[in-house]
Formats: sequence, structure tokens, C-alpha cells
Amino acid sequence: KAGVTQTPRYLIKTRGQQVTLSCSPISGHRSVSWYQQTPGQGLQFLFEYFSETQRNKGNFPGRFSGRQFSNSRSEMNVSTLELGDSALYLCASSLAGPNSPLHFGNGTRLTVT
Amino acid sequence: EDKVVQSPLSLVVHEGDTVTLNCSYEVTNFRSLLWYKQEKKAPTFLFMLTSSGIEKKSGRLSSILDKKELFSILNITATQTGDSAIYLCAVGVNYGGATNKLIFGTGTLLAVQP
Repeated sequence: KAGVTQTPRYLIKTRGQQVTLSCSPISGHRSVSWYQQTPGQGLQFLFEYFSETQRNKGNFPGRFSGRQFSNSRSEMNVSTLELGDSALYLCASSLAGPNSPLHFGNGTRLTVT
Repeated sequence: EDKVVQSPLSLVVHEGDTVTLNCSYEVTNFRSLLWYKQEKKAPTFLFMLTSSGIEKKSGRLSSILDKKELFSILNITATQTGDSAIYLCAVGVNYGGATNKLIFGTGTLLAVQP
């Protein structure tokens, strides 16, 4: 069974630009979550989607947004990039139940210059 | 504010040693506690614990949860260099729906020397 796939693996952008990251969940998983990982803050929850609906959102500014498609694939978008947005962005998928463990992809390493 | 604290922050041991990693938490609406291992990129799932006192075991790794004292430990026996990684503890919280949000600790960096 294929794992969670994230593209691209690496991105370099400049301040003010926007970026879109993509995530394909494990087949059969309908819940997709996004996390930001930085050395100082660790993994922080961005948002969770289920059946194309956002179920929960973390404490990030409105520049961070996401969506989920009918095939459960998800994208997240960051607009007006800032230097502090440089991080590893991890996508995770899980089965529908609340006690289903998250399975993570390899992440997208975003560098903002 | 929900909080997950891991200790120690880092640990250096020799192959064959036994290590114990700690995770304490203060959250409202606790649902589950999970352990992950992160080597290069993707955190890989190790255990999920929901009930106190029931040990979960996988090979040389084991974990137990104490919901009264609000902590969990992850034990690794007979460590190998391949165990070198960051070990992440995360707590699943219930925000009134079926949401699957995790609160992560900052991790314990384990280095196993040959």
C-alpha cells in the first residue's frame, strides 16, 4: 500500500510570493491533516480536512489555507510568504475514526529567502 | 493551553543500553497518546495508547500510559544504532467532533553510539 505522498519535496521561494503544496493520502484514508515543523516550535497543527470540509484549524494567520478534493487529495496554500514560513510542511492521513493514528508523508521543505 | 512536554531533550547512549523516554501532558479532553519516530523526514507511527496501565509492545520497544499522573514512557531495550532518531510524543484531543488533531511535544533526540 503506497504511503502518503507529498509534492514537491523542496521549494525555494522569495518573500511576498505564494506557494501551493500537494498531498495524496493513503488509499482509503479520508482525513488529511497538515502540520508545520520548525526547529524552535516542533510540529504545529495547521488544519484538518475530512470529506472536503475543514474540521479544525490551528493558530496560524489567514495566509495559510487549504482544501480537500473529492478523491481526498489535499492542497495547502501560503500567500504573501514571510521568512518565518520556512519550515518542513508535513501532511498526514488517517482513517475516518477519531482514534485512528496519523500516517505522515515525507514533507515539503519550504525555504523563503 | 494544551501542552505536551518531553524529557530528556536529548540522550546519548551506547549500543545495548536500555533507554526510557518521558512524556507528560496537560490537555483538556484527552483522547489518546501517540509515539512517533522521526529519522530523516516522515514521522513513523509507533504506538497509540488510550487506556492506563496497558503496555503496548513491539519488538524491543514498549510504552505505557498513566492517565492519573498524565504521563507516558517509551522504553527501548538493547538499543541499536538504527534506533537513533527523534522520538515524538503527541496527544490526541477531542474538540467536540471527530477531529483528529494532535498536540506534539518537541521530541527527544536519541543518539546510539556503536
